[in-house]
Amino acid sequence: EAGVTQFPSHSVIEKGQTVTLRCDPISGHDNLYWYRRVMGKEIKFLLHFVKESKQDESGMPNNRFLAERTGGTYSTLKVQPAELEDSGVYFCASSQKGPSYNSPLHFGNGTRLTVT
Amino acid sequence: AQSVTQLDSQVPVFEEAPVELRCNYSSSVSVYLFWYVQYPNQGLQLLLKYLSGSTLVKGINGFEAEFNKSQTSFHLRKPSVHISDTAEYFCAAMITGGGNKLTFGTGTQLKVEL
Repeated sequence: EAGVTQFPSHSVIEKGQTVTLRCDPISGHDNLYWYRRVMGKEIKFLLHFVKESKQDESGMPNNRFLAERTGGTYSTLKVQPAELEDSGVYFCASSQKGPSYNSPLHFGNGTRLTVT
Repeated sequence: AQSVTQLDSQVPVFEEAPVELRCNYSSSVSVYLFWYVQYPNQGLQLLLKYLSGSTLVKGINGFEAEFNKSQTSFHLRKPSVHISDTAEYFCAAMITGGGNKLTFGTGTQLKVEL
């Protein structure tokens, strides 16, 4: 089966611009997560979708970040306008139904975002 | 609130030597514990997890970890490392019955040398 796919793998944008990251989960996976790693720091939770619904968005940094999962398939994470501190690696992960401690998380390779 | 601490940012080790990567967690409630590995240019992969039961957990690629409640630790070990084990290792925790989000440590870069 195809794994979790993230696009683009790298993105370099200027402060104030808009960037949209995309994640295609494994087919049939209801759960979709976004995480972010700022350089040298821990990987932090951003939000969790169950199908098309936001289950938990407590980790979203501010209202410049907008995540969607229309139709419960792929998801997008838009940053508008981007700030320098948004630089980092954005990971997407998916899992089957149920709690993720029981269903393994499958991570994508990440999108490395650099804001200059 | 919970937190996960990985004190060692880098651990160099010679091939075939044993290794231990340290992880301590802090939580006022029960947690599940995980170790993930990230090979260069790849996503994170689950190495092993502790949910309940036996405190010694065995994972893939010969790794194991021991849950120690009194010391709030979940150290990862391998008796003999290989060059291919060079990667970054992340310890993570999840509150039991408290949603699905993982709290990660800052990661430990394991570098295996000849």
